[in-house]
Amino acid sequence: EEQLLDSGGDLVQPGGSLRLSCALSRVSLTAYAMSWVRQAPGRGLEWVASVGGSGTVTYYAGSVKGRFSISRDNSKKTIFLQMNSLRADDTAVYYCAKGGGGPSDVFDIWGQGTMVTVSS
Amino acid sequence: SYELTQPPSLSVSPGQTASITCSGYKLDDKYVNWYQQKPGHSPVVVMYEDSKRPADIPERFSGSNSGNTATLTISGTQALDEADFYCQTWDSNTVVFGGGTKLTVL
Repeated sequence: EEQLLDSGGDLVQPGGSLRLSCALSRVSLTAYAMSWVRQAPGRGLEWVASVGGSGTVTYYAGSVKGRFSISRDNSKKTIFLQMNSLRADDTAVYYCAKGGGGPSDVFDIWGQGTMVTVSS
Repeated sequence: SYELTQPPSLSVSPGQTASITCSGYKLDDKYVNWYQQKPGHSPVVVMYEDSKRPADIPERFSGSNSGNTATLTISGTQALDEADFYCQTWDSNTVVFGGGTKLTVL
């Protein structure tokens, strides 16, 4: 069974940085686009960023562009989300998900989520 | 930026049909996926490419997309179907989610 394991969530002060990780259970997942999707407390799903299978193509939501960076290390079967200049409205559960690579793609595998709290 | 609009809530009685709508400009020019999320759990895809059902999703779930509206239909709704449902599409190299619909079965 293919699984994603999110980690790295923490309490961080406004303006601070944090790096999230997503471990892929199988090498086969390294061929697929991967994304981060977040959900603020009591709110809906919000797409954050996506990275293509090779890691060279990336897409970002306008709310995080210039502050967040998505990357992957396929040799380590891991996806990363580097988050800088964090703000209170970045507080959310962050999910790693397989998919987000294009119009016909679907988020068919999700991690369990990792909580990021931005507060002083 | 592209927007998807869903009704915030929908209530149905057990055994009835639930129709959850998702509206967007010329939405039928795009593929729509649907996700179900129960409290404290990660989302699960219940419909993809408008009307394709994953193998582990019950046949009572169906989907359509025409004009400006995509619809997720649950026939013979059961108590265990109670959840939040989100539609999702792709536009201009971005992923777009609808605001979500809370389905209550009572």
